Amino acid sequence: KQEVTQIPAALSVPEGENLVLNCSFTDSAIYNLQWFRQDPGKGLTSLLLIQSSQREQTSGRLNASLDKSSGRSTLYIAASQPGDSATYLCAVRGVMDSSYKLIFGSGTRLLVRP
Amino acid sequence: DAGVTQSPTHLIKTRGQQVTLRCSPISGHKSVSWYQQVLGQGPQFIFQYYEKEERGRGNFPDRFSARQFPNYSSELNVNALLLGDSALYLCASSLTPGTPDAFEAFFGQGTRLTVV
Repeated sequence: KQEVTQIPAALSVPEGENLVLNCSFTDSAIYNLQWFRQDPGKGLTSLLLIQSSQREQTSGRLNASLDKSSGRSTLYIAASQPGDSATYLCAVRGVMDSSYKLIFGSGTRLLVRP
Repeated sequence: DAGVTQSPTHLIKTRGQQVTLRCSPISGHKSVSWYQQVLGQGPQFIFQYYEKEERGRGNFPDRFSARQFPNYSSELNVNALLLGDSALYLCASSLTPGTPDAFEAFFGQGTRLTVV
C-alpha cells in the first residue's frame, strides 16, 4: 500500500530564504508525482508535475526533483516571499492502480515572515 | 479558459440529510475524480469517473455515490449525513488517461460541507 510522507509538517522562515520541502513515498512504481499549493480553505493549485522518467521540473522560483528508486522528491523554493505562505502537498499516482488516483501526503504548512 | 468549477462553495446540512455536490471539468477533460479533505490532512480519494463509467472507488461507505453526465460534468451524492462527513470536497479533472501528460490533475476550489 502506497504511503506518502511530508517532512517537515510546518516551517517558518524569514523572507528571502531558499528552502526545501521533502516528500517520500513507499512504492516506487509510480506514473508521476505532482506538487500542489493550497491556500487556507481553498482548492489545490498544481505547481509541478514530474513524470516517472524525469529527474526534475522547474517553474519560475520552484524546482522539483524526483528520485524514484529511493522514493523521494524535493520541492525547492528560491528567494521565498510572504506570498509563498501556504500548505504544500505532494501526491503520487501509482502504476498498479487502474483508478489513476492520487495519493497525498499531509502537507507542509509554510509561513514566510516579512 | 474556465478551470474546474464546483458548486455550491459552502453548504450546511443536518445529520441524516442528503447532499449533492456538483463539478464541471475543464473543457476537453473527460476524467473527473472526487476527493475528501478533512482539516489538517491531505485529500483522500473517493471516486474516479471516465467516459461516464466508474473507474475507481476509495474506501468510503455506500452512502457515497457519484455519476458522470454526457457533458463530463459530475455529481457526488452523500446520503444519511454524519458529523464526520464534514470536510472540504474537491473535484479534479484530467485529460483522457493513456498518456503521461494526461495524468496532470487540476482541482476546483472545493465545496465546504458542514454537518451539524
